[in-house]
Amino acid sequence: KAGVTQTPRYLIKTRGQQVTLSCSPISGHRSVSWYQQTPGQGLQFLFEYFSETQRNKGNFPGRFSGRQFSNSRSEMNVSTLELGDSALYLCASSLFDRVVYNEQFFGPGTRLTVL
Amino acid sequence: KQEVTQIPAALSVPEGENLVLNCSFTDSAIYNLQWFRQDPGKGLTSLLLIQSSQREQTSGRLNASLDKSSGRSTLYIAASQPGDSATYLCAVMWNDYKLSFGAGTTVTVRA
Repeated sequence: KAGVTQTPRYLIKTRGQQVTLSCSPISGHRSVSWYQQTPGQGLQFLFEYFSETQRNKGNFPGRFSGRQFSNSRSEMNVSTLELGDSALYLCASSLFDRVVYNEQFFGPGTRLTVL
Repeated sequence: KQEVTQIPAALSVPEGENLVLNCSFTDSAIYNLQWFRQDPGKGLTSLLLIQSSQREQTSGRLNASLDKSSGRSTLYIAASQPGDSATYLCAVMWNDYKLSFGAGTTVTVRA
C-alpha cells in the first residue's frame, strides 16, 4: 500500500507570495491533518479534515487555510507569506472516524523556505 | 494548558545499551499516545500507539508504557544499535482529538 505523499517536496517563495501544498493520504484513509515543524516551536497542529469538512483547528492565523476533496486528497494554502512561515509542513492521514482509533501516518513533508 | 514534555532533549549511549525515553503530559484526559521516530529532514515514522485504556504496547525491541494517572509514558528500546540514532517524538491525542507533540529526544547510539 502506498504511503502518504506530499508535493512538492521543496519550495522557495518570497515574502508576500502565497503557496499551496498538496497531500495524498493512504488509500482508504479519510482523515488528513496538517502540521508545521520549526526548530523553535517544534511540531504544531494546523488543522484536520475528515470527509471534506474541517473537524479541528489549531492556533494559526487565518492566512493558513486548507481543504479536502472528495477523494480525500487535501491542500493547504498560506497567503501573504512571512519569513516565519519557513518550516517543514507535514501531512498525516488516518482512518480515524472517532469510533475506531487508528494510528496517524505521516508523509515526508514539504520544506518551505520564505526569502 | 495541555502540554507534552520530553526529557532529556538529547541522549548518547554506546551500542548495546538499553534506551529509556520519557514523555510526560499535563492532562490525564487523553485519547491515545503515539511514539514516532524522525530522521533528519524526514517525516515521522510511527513506532507504537497506546490507547488510553492500555498500559503498554510492544513491537520487537520496542516497548512503550502508559500511566495516565501520573501523566507519563516511557519508551524502552532494548539492545540499541547505531541505526536507532534519530529523534523520538511523543504525541498525545487529547479527548478533543487534537494532537500535541513533545519537543523530542535526540538519540545517538555510538558504535
